[in-house]
Amino acid sequence: EVQLVESGGGLVKPGGSLRLSCAASGFTFSSYSMNWVRQAPGKGLEWVSSISSSSSYIYYADSVKGRFTISRDNAKNSLYLQMNSLRAEDTAVYYCARHPAVAGTGFDYWGQGTLVTVSS
Amino acid sequence: DIQMTQSPSTLSASVGDRVTITCRASQSISSWLAWYQQKPGKAPKLLIYKASSLESGVPSRFSGSGSGTEFTLTISSLQPDDFATYYCQQYNSYPFTFGPGTKVDIK
Repeated sequence: EVQLVESGGGLVKPGGSLRLSCAASGFTFSSYSMNWVRQAPGKGLEWVSSISSSSSYIYYADSVKGRFTISRDNAKNSLYLQMNSLRAEDTAVYYCARHPAVAGTGFDYWGQGTLVTVSS
Repeated sequence: DIQMTQSPSTLSASVGDRVTITCRASQSISSWLAWYQQKPGKAPKLLIYKASSLESGVPSRFSGSGSGTEFTLTISSLQPDDFATYYCQQYNSYPFTFGPGTKVDIK
């Protein structure tokens, strides 16, 4: 069974940092592109960042470019999001999502999400 | 960046109704469009990919159509479990973008 489990969310002050993790199981993690998607309270979905299976290709939304860093450790079946210089508008539930890009599908599995709150 | 719009933003319908949601892209995305269903407090669920391909395990009352810049999601006979918010997403090019969502609620 495919499982994605996020962790690392919490309350942080503006300007602070946080590192999110996503533990993957039930599939060959190293074969899939992975993504972070966030959802501010009461708002829609916002794609944040993507990383290819071998980390060769990395993309960011303009809203987080230069502040967030996506990475992965295929040996540990884990995806990460390092978030620096956090702002109030970064407050959201952060989801990790699998993207079988070579199959041409959308994001087929999602984690349950982890809440990040940026507030003084 | 490719902008996605959806209409309507809210849709009130009854069980058994045929429901159609429209999604438009600001430029051609070929058929690289997905539809997701999200219920409160839950992660999104993939329904349709490549504009018209039904994800495994998704009921056949859901269907998608379109290409280029205009797409539709149709629920042929709305069921109680279908009251939720629906999002389209383009994955033709980065940055991937989602539509603002369409909330389907009970009339």
